[in-house]
Amino acid sequence: EIVLTQSPGTLSLSPGERATLSCRASQSVRTNYLAWYQQKPGQAPRLLIYGVSNRATGIPDRFSGSGAGTDFTLTISRLEPEDFAVYYCQQSGTAPRTFGQGTKVEIK
Amino acid sequence: QVQLVQSGAEVKKPGASVKVSCTTSGYTFSSYDITWVRQATGQGLEWMGWMNPNSLNTNYAPEFRGRVTMTRDNSISTAYMELSGLRSDDTAVYYCARGIRNLLYSDHWGQGTLVTVSS
Repeated sequence: EIVLTQSPGTLSLSPGERATLSCRASQSVRTNYLAWYQQKPGQAPRLLIYGVSNRATGIPDRFSGSGAGTDFTLTISRLEPEDFAVYYCQQSGTAPRTFGQGTKVEIK
Repeated sequence: QVQLVQSGAEVKKPGASVKVSCTTSGYTFSSYDITWVRQATGQGLEWMGWMNPNSLNTNYAPEFRGRVTMTRDNSISTAYMELSGLRSDDTAVYYCARGIRNLLYSDHWGQGTLVTVSS
């Protein structure tokens, strides 16, 4: 099983700042099989990024994804108030499909 | 628009089974997979497995094999997830999601179903 480790656990930032979230895999993730989801309290997860770097429909361009192999990054260029949430990475190239434990982005 | 609407909250006793439904609309049901994910209170997301509604192929996470069954009724575009041998640590919100077959991500999610296991 591929273990995904996200860091930091919590990111305390102010609106307008840049957020950089890391997702590290215990072994190489099959090319393009990495997605990012956003979850707000009491809501279902929402797809942000698929195929490492492709924004899902309706996702603003302040969200970007990058990486390959075992190291992946989600960047939010300028935090808006609605971006404060928990973010999960998921690999789907190797069964079982696994999630990282999440990074909470909170208002500083 | 694409929608996945799940059945309501359930309270079950340890050892019982629960069956959660996921009724879809706005797309061709058989053309996309259905994935199930659960989330215990205050915890992260846990992938349970997926099902191809067309072929009925399934793949379950190891920790659920032998206890989970994913099925569907194509006539009403509805998927089901049944979990048996419930334990207190199965208390969680269970989500269904539509799965994209090429890169295997989930683009639309149900609202979640809270399953509480308590004696």
